[in-house]
Amino acid sequence: GAGVSQTPSNKVTEKGKYVELRCDPISGHTALYWYRQSLGQGPEFLIYFQGTGAADDSGLPNDRFFAVRPEGSVSTLKIQRTERGDSAVYLCASSATWLAGDTQYFGPGTRLTVL
Amino acid sequence: GQQVMQIPQYQHVQEGEDFTTYCNSSTTLSNIQWYKQRPGGHPVFLIQLVKSGEVKKQKRLTFQFGEAKKNSSLHITATQTTDVGTYFCAGPTQGGSEKLVFGKGMKLTVNP
Repeated sequence: GAGVSQTPSNKVTEKGKYVELRCDPISGHTALYWYRQSLGQGPEFLIYFQGTGAADDSGLPNDRFFAVRPEGSVSTLKIQRTERGDSAVYLCASSATWLAGDTQYFGPGTRLTVL
Repeated sequence: GQQVMQIPQYQHVQEGEDFTTYCNSSTTLSNIQWYKQRPGGHPVFLIQLVKSGEVKKQKRLTFQFGEAKKNSSLHITATQTTDVGTYFCAGPTQGGSEKLVFGKGMKLTVNP
């Protein structure tokens, strides 16, 4: 595709609910990253995929967060039992390879609001 | 853990002015990247610096990587209203891994 796409663009949910956020990377990009951006902060790393496997999930805040990329393309970030503190913009990025320093292209993000 | 700090956090300039913003890492970086995020938008890659002391220019923007590869600067000449946004620097975590550590950003506003 032309760029990284993310759906939905906005998600409002109630505390305790389950949500799924989707990322469609640039076609052919091998590496996929999830970041979270709170107001007034820079993006904070969550998890990174090389192909289908999670190469580094050290940024996931706790076990309520999980992400998959079953076919090495689209990825879904899943959040269970959402809390108000999970409210943020969730950004997805992809890069052509997983080589360090390869340019990461960001999607428009999903703004998650937990009431 | 590794930290990337940006100063100032906010910059307000008159259109036409020059200014410089700085980025400092707590560790030596294999490379440093700069991104720009317009209000309501997402981070857009601007440039990557790899070599010690490297200087790169993009029109009115000049980026520099420090000799020790722990700091970087962005200088904007003759600021325009189109420069408005938040500028982030980011570097890979130690060991050259792929995940980026971002600074908190420098929010630029321009008075026309």
